[in-house]
Amino acid sequence: DTAVSQTPKYLVTQMGNDKSIKCEQNLGHDTMYWYKQDSKKFLKIMFSYNNKELIINETVPNRFSPKSPDKAHLNLHINSLELGDSAVYFCASSLLSANYGYTFGSGTRLTVV
Amino acid sequence: GQQVMQIPQYQHVQEGEDFTTYCNSSTTLSNIQWYKQRPGGHPVFLIQLVKSGEVKKQKRLTFQFGEAKKNSSLHITATQTTDVGTYFCALSWGKLQFGAGTQVVVTP
Repeated sequence: DTAVSQTPKYLVTQMGNDKSIKCEQNLGHDTMYWYKQDSKKFLKIMFSYNNKELIINETVPNRFSPKSPDKAHLNLHINSLELGDSAVYFCASSLLSANYGYTFGSGTRLTVV
Repeated sequence: GQQVMQIPQYQHVQEGEDFTTYCNSSTTLSNIQWYKQRPGGHPVFLIQLVKSGEVKKQKRLTFQFGEAKKNSSLHITATQTTDVGTYFCALSWGKLQFGAGTQVVVTP
C-alpha cells in the first residue's frame, strides 16, 4: 500500500491554465505539507496543514491555493500557470508531536509550456 | 531563521571509495535529519540526530552530530552504485528546512 500518494505524476500544461494536484496519506499522520523542488534540486516548503488547519504559509504567490478537506488529504490548486511554476511538487506527511522524519509522495512533475 | 550549508555540492566517487558530506550551521541546532533522494525519486528519511556528539550507523552509512550541535556529517564507506543520489540534511523546527544537498555520482 502506498503511504503518500500524489496524482498526477506528470502534468504538462500551457501558460495561463489552472491545474490541481492531489495528495492522500494513509499513515494516520496529522500534518501534511507541500514542497517545491526546482531544477537545482533545492527543496522549499510552501504550505503545511495540521488537522485541516493551515499552519505554515510561506511566501508563495496567491495563485497557489492549498485545500485540506480532512487530515488525510491535501490538494494544491494553481491558477494562471506561469513558466516559472515548472518544478517537481512533493507532498509529505508527518506526526507533528513526534517531531520525526517526513514521508514524501513520489512527486508531480509540472511542466508549463 | 536557522539555515544550514551543505558541502560539497557535488561529489564524484569511485566505486569502493569512502566519502563524507557535511552540514554546517552558524547557530545551535535542536536536531538534524538526513534524507536521500535517488535520481527521479523522492526524498526518503534516513535518520534523525538529537544529542550532542551523537553517532549512528546504518550499514555503510555513519551519521554524526557535532559536540556543539552546529554541524553534522554523513560518511559512506565502500561506496556502491546504489549510493548514487542526492543527500540532504534538514532542520526540523516546526517545519522541515532542507540544505541544498550533495549530489553523489558513483563511477564503477
